[in-house]
Amino acid sequence: AQSVTQPDIHITVSEGASLELRCNYSYGATPYLFWYVQSPGQGLQLLLKYFSGDTLVQGIKGFEAEFKRSQSSFNLRKPSVHWSDAAEYFCAVHTSGGGADGLTFGKGTHLIIQP
Amino acid sequence: DAGVTQSPTHLIKTRGQHVTLRCSPISGHKSVSWYQQVLGQGPQFIFQYYEKEERGRGNFPDRFSARQFPNYSSELNVNALLLGDSALYLCASSQRYERSSAGKNIQYFGAGTRLSVL
Repeated sequence: AQSVTQPDIHITVSEGASLELRCNYSYGATPYLFWYVQSPGQGLQLLLKYFSGDTLVQGIKGFEAEFKRSQSSFNLRKPSVHWSDAAEYFCAVHTSGGGADGLTFGKGTHLIIQP
Repeated sequence: DAGVTQSPTHLIKTRGQHVTLRCSPISGHKSVSWYQQVLGQGPQFIFQYYEKEERGRGNFPDRFSARQFPNYSSELNVNALLLGDSALYLCASSQRYERSSAGKNIQYFGAGTRLSVL
Protein backbone atom coordinates (compact mmCIF):
# COMPACT_ATOMS: atom_id res chain seq x y z
CA ALA A 1 0.00 0.00 0.00
CA GLN A 2 1.05 3.54 -0.67
CA SER A 3 2.38 5.60 2.23
CA VAL A 4 3.88 9.03 2.76
CA THR A 5 6.32 10.02 5.49
CA GLN A 6 7.00 13.57 6.52
CA PRO A 7 9.72 13.17 9.13
CA ASP A 8 9.55 16.70 10.51
CA ILE A 9 6.45 17.49 12.59
CA HIS A 10 7.55 21.10 13.20
CA ILE A 11 10.10 23.30 11.45
CA THR A 12 11.08 26.82 12.51
CA VAL A 13 12.69 29.11 9.96
CA SER A 14 13.65 32.77 10.11
CA GLU A 15 11.92 35.10 7.69
CA GLY A 16 14.05 35.44 4.57
CA ALA A 17 15.85 32.14 5.12
CA SER A 18 15.61 29.16 2.81
CA LEU A 19 13.28 26.25 3.47
CA GLU A 20 13.25 22.54 2.72
CA LEU A 21 10.44 20.25 3.82
CA ARG A 22 11.08 16.53 3.48
CA CYS A 23 8.75 13.93 2.02
CA ASN A 24 9.36 10.24 1.39
CA TYR A 25 6.86 7.96 -0.28
CA SER A 26 6.36 4.26 -0.67
CA TYR A 27 4.95 3.19 -4.01
CA GLY A 28 5.81 0.52 -6.54
CA ALA A 29 5.40 2.39 -9.80
CA THR A 30 5.93 5.97 -10.92
CA PRO A 31 3.97 8.00 -8.40
CA TYR A 32 1.80 11.03 -8.86
CA LEU A 33 2.99 13.39 -6.12
CA PHE A 34 1.53 16.55 -4.65
CA TRP A 35 2.27 19.24 -2.06
CA TYR A 36 -0.65 21.02 -0.41
CA VAL A 37 -0.68 23.85 2.14
CA GLN A 38 -3.33 24.36 4.81
CA SER A 39 -3.73 27.61 6.72
CA PRO A 40 -5.89 27.77 9.86
CA GLY A 41 -9.56 27.72 8.97
CA GLN A 42 -8.77 27.14 5.31
CA GLY A 43 -8.98 24.18 3.04
CA LEU A 44 -6.02 22.60 1.35
CA GLN A 45 -4.43 24.58 -1.46
CA LEU A 46 -2.35 22.84 -4.13
CA LEU A 47 1.21 24.17 -4.31
CA LEU A 48 2.57 21.88 -7.02
CA LYS A 49 2.36 18.43 -8.54
CA TYR A 50 4.55 15.87 -10.28
CA PHE A 51 3.21 13.40 -12.82
CA SER A 52 6.17 12.75 -15.13
CA GLY A 53 8.97 14.45 -17.04
CA ASP A 54 11.22 17.11 -15.54
CA THR A 55 11.98 16.09 -11.97
CA LEU A 56 12.16 19.70 -10.77
CA VAL A 57 8.68 21.20 -10.67
CA GLN A 58 7.70 24.77 -10.02
CA GLY A 59 4.63 25.74 -8.08
CA ILE A 60 2.80 28.75 -6.79
CA LYS A 61 4.07 31.22 -4.19
CA GLY A 62 7.71 30.61 -5.19
CA PHE A 63 7.79 26.96 -4.14
CA GLU A 64 9.52 24.17 -6.02
CA ALA A 65 9.99 20.45 -5.43
CA GLU A 66 12.35 17.83 -6.74
CA PHE A 67 11.40 14.23 -7.44
CA LYS A 68 14.20 11.79 -6.72
CA ARG A 69 13.23 8.23 -7.62
CA SER A 70 16.41 6.70 -6.16
CA GLN A 71 15.62 8.22 -2.77
CA SER A 72 11.81 7.92 -3.02
CA SER A 73 11.67 11.58 -2.09
CA PHE A 74 9.76 14.66 -3.15
CA ASN A 75 11.14 17.51 -1.03
CA LEU A 76 9.63 20.97 -1.10
CA ARG A 77 11.88 24.03 -1.22
CA LYS A 78 11.65 27.79 -1.16
CA PRO A 79 14.67 30.10 -1.37
CA SER A 80 13.33 32.82 0.91
CA VAL A 81 10.32 32.38 3.20
CA HIS A 82 7.82 35.08 4.10
CA TRP A 83 5.82 35.34 7.32
CA SER A 84 2.71 34.47 5.32
CA ASP A 85 4.19 31.02 4.58
CA ALA A 86 3.49 29.91 8.16
CA ALA A 87 1.03 27.02 7.76
CA GLU A 88 0.70 23.23 7.69
CA TYR A 89 2.24 21.52 4.67
CA PHE A 90 1.15 18.13 3.40
CA CYS A 91 2.82 15.84 0.92
CA ALA A 92 0.52 13.38 -0.86
CA VAL A 93 0.68 10.52 -3.32
CA HIS A 94 -2.11 9.30 -5.54
CA THR A 95 -3.80 6.17 -4.26
CA SER A 96 -4.29 4.02 -7.32
CA GLY A 97 -6.50 1.33 -5.84
CA GLY A 98 -9.88 1.10 -7.48
CA GLY A 99 -9.14 3.71 -10.10
CA ALA A 100 -10.23 6.66 -7.97
CA ASP A 101 -8.46 9.97 -7.54
CA GLY A 102 -8.06 9.55 -3.78
CA LEU A 103 -4.82 10.79 -2.28
CA THR A 104 -2.73 9.37 0.57
CA PHE A 105 -1.37 12.19 2.71
CA GLY A 106 1.52 12.43 5.11
CA LYS A 107 0.93 13.66 8.66
CA GLY A 108 2.07 17.14 7.75
CA THR A 109 4.82 19.55 8.74
CA HIS A 110 3.94 22.64 10.75
CA LEU A 111 6.02 25.57 9.53
CA ILE A 112 6.76 28.39 11.98
CA ILE A 113 8.32 31.62 10.75
CA GLN A 114 10.48 33.61 13.15
CA PRO A 115 10.71 37.38 12.58
CA ASP B 1 -16.25 32.28 -8.81
CA ALA B 2 -17.07 30.51 -5.58
CA GLY B 3 -14.80 27.71 -4.48
CA VAL B 4 -15.89 24.48 -2.86
CA THR B 5 -18.43 25.28 -0.17
CA GLN B 6 -19.24 23.06 2.78
CA SER B 7 -21.95 23.25 5.41
CA PRO B 8 -22.22 23.46 8.28
CA THR B 9 -18.89 24.91 9.39
CA HIS B 10 -19.07 23.34 12.83
CA LEU B 11 -21.24 20.62 14.28
CA ILE B 12 -21.56 19.01 17.69
CA LYS B 13 -23.20 15.59 18.05
CA THR B 14 -23.38 12.89 20.70
CA ARG B 15 -22.39 9.26 20.40
CA GLY B 16 -24.86 7.12 18.50
CA GLN B 17 -26.36 10.00 16.56
CA HIS B 18 -26.40 10.43 12.81
CA VAL B 19 -24.88 13.36 10.89
CA THR B 20 -25.18 14.73 7.35
CA LEU B 21 -22.52 16.98 5.88
CA ARG B 22 -23.01 18.88 2.63
CA CYS B 23 -20.72 19.98 -0.17
CA SER B 24 -21.18 22.12 -3.25
CA PRO B 25 -18.41 21.74 -5.83
CA ILE B 26 -16.86 24.47 -7.90
CA SER B 27 -19.15 25.40 -10.78
CA GLY B 28 -18.45 23.08 -13.71
CA HIS B 29 -16.83 20.41 -11.55
CA LYS B 30 -18.51 17.03 -11.74
CA SER B 31 -16.51 14.92 -9.29
CA VAL B 32 -16.60 15.16 -5.50
CA SER B 33 -14.34 13.43 -3.00
CA TRP B 34 -14.59 13.30 0.79
CA TYR B 35 -11.71 13.16 3.27
CA GLN B 36 -11.50 12.83 7.05
CA GLN B 37 -8.76 14.77 8.86
CA VAL B 38 -8.25 13.83 12.49
CA LEU B 39 -6.39 16.38 14.60
CA GLY B 40 -2.65 16.12 14.04
CA GLN B 41 -2.98 13.86 11.00
CA GLY B 42 -3.19 14.28 7.27
CA PRO B 43 -6.51 13.91 5.45
CA GLN B 44 -7.67 10.36 4.77
CA PHE B 45 -9.66 9.47 1.63
CA ILE B 46 -13.24 8.30 2.25
CA PHE B 47 -15.11 8.39 -1.08
CA GLN B 48 -15.13 9.72 -4.61
CA TYR B 49 -18.33 10.30 -6.56
CA TYR B 50 -18.73 11.11 -10.23
CA GLU B 51 -21.96 11.27 -12.20
CA LYS B 52 -23.78 10.14 -9.04
CA GLU B 53 -21.83 6.89 -8.86
CA GLU B 54 -19.21 5.87 -6.33
CA ARG B 55 -15.85 5.64 -8.09
CA GLY B 56 -13.64 4.83 -5.15
CA ARG B 57 -13.71 4.16 -1.44
CA GLY B 58 -11.11 4.30 1.28
CA ASN B 59 -10.81 2.08 4.32
CA PHE B 60 -13.87 3.28 6.23
CA PRO B 61 -16.70 1.28 7.81
CA ASP B 62 -20.18 0.99 6.33
CA ARG B 63 -21.39 3.60 8.81
CA PHE B 64 -20.02 6.09 6.31
CA SER B 65 -22.04 6.65 3.16
CA ALA B 66 -22.40 9.38 0.57
CA ARG B 67 -24.38 10.36 -2.44
CA GLN B 68 -24.17 12.86 -5.27
CA PHE B 69 -27.07 14.80 -6.68
CA PRO B 70 -27.87 15.78 -10.29
CA ASN B 71 -26.42 19.26 -9.65
CA TYR B 72 -23.16 17.50 -8.59
CA SER B 73 -23.46 18.54 -4.95
CA SER B 74 -22.87 15.80 -2.40
CA GLU B 75 -23.79 14.64 1.08
CA LEU B 76 -21.69 12.60 3.47
CA ASN B 77 -23.65 10.62 6.04
CA VAL B 78 -22.24 9.02 9.15
CA ASN B 79 -24.43 6.73 11.30
CA ALA B 80 -23.96 5.58 14.88
CA LEU B 81 -21.35 8.23 15.63
CA LEU B 82 -18.32 7.27 17.70
CA LEU B 83 -15.99 9.55 19.63
CA GLY B 84 -13.31 8.69 17.07
CA ASP B 85 -15.38 10.24 14.30
CA SER B 86 -14.50 13.68 15.66
CA ALA B 87 -12.55 15.30 12.86
CA LEU B 88 -12.46 17.89 10.12
CA TYR B 89 -14.32 16.56 7.09
CA LEU B 90 -13.04 17.94 3.82
CA CYS B 91 -14.75 17.93 0.48
CA ALA B 92 -12.78 18.25 -2.75
CA SER B 93 -14.05 18.74 -6.26
CA SER B 94 -12.41 18.14 -9.60
CA GLN B 95 -13.51 19.01 -13.10
CA ARG B 96 -13.75 15.51 -14.45
CA TYR B 97 -13.01 11.91 -13.69
CA GLU B 98 -11.42 9.43 -16.03
CA ARG B 99 -10.34 6.09 -14.71
CA SER B 100 -7.52 5.94 -17.26
CA SER B 101 -6.03 9.13 -15.83
CA ALA B 102 -6.93 8.55 -12.19
CA GLY B 103 -4.74 10.64 -9.98
CA LYS B 104 -4.18 13.37 -12.53
CA ASN B 105 -7.50 15.08 -11.89
CA ILE B 106 -6.58 18.00 -9.67
CA GLN B 107 -8.68 18.25 -6.52
CA TYR B 108 -9.74 21.57 -5.03
CA PHE B 109 -10.61 21.50 -1.35
CA GLY B 110 -13.21 23.30 0.72
CA ALA B 111 -12.55 24.67 4.22
CA GLY B 112 -14.23 21.68 5.82
CA THR B 113 -16.81 20.86 8.47
CA ARG B 114 -15.50 20.46 12.01
CA LEU B 115 -17.44 17.61 13.67
CA SER B 116 -17.19 17.09 17.41
CA VAL B 117 -18.71 13.93 18.89
CA LEU B 118 -19.32 14.06 22.66
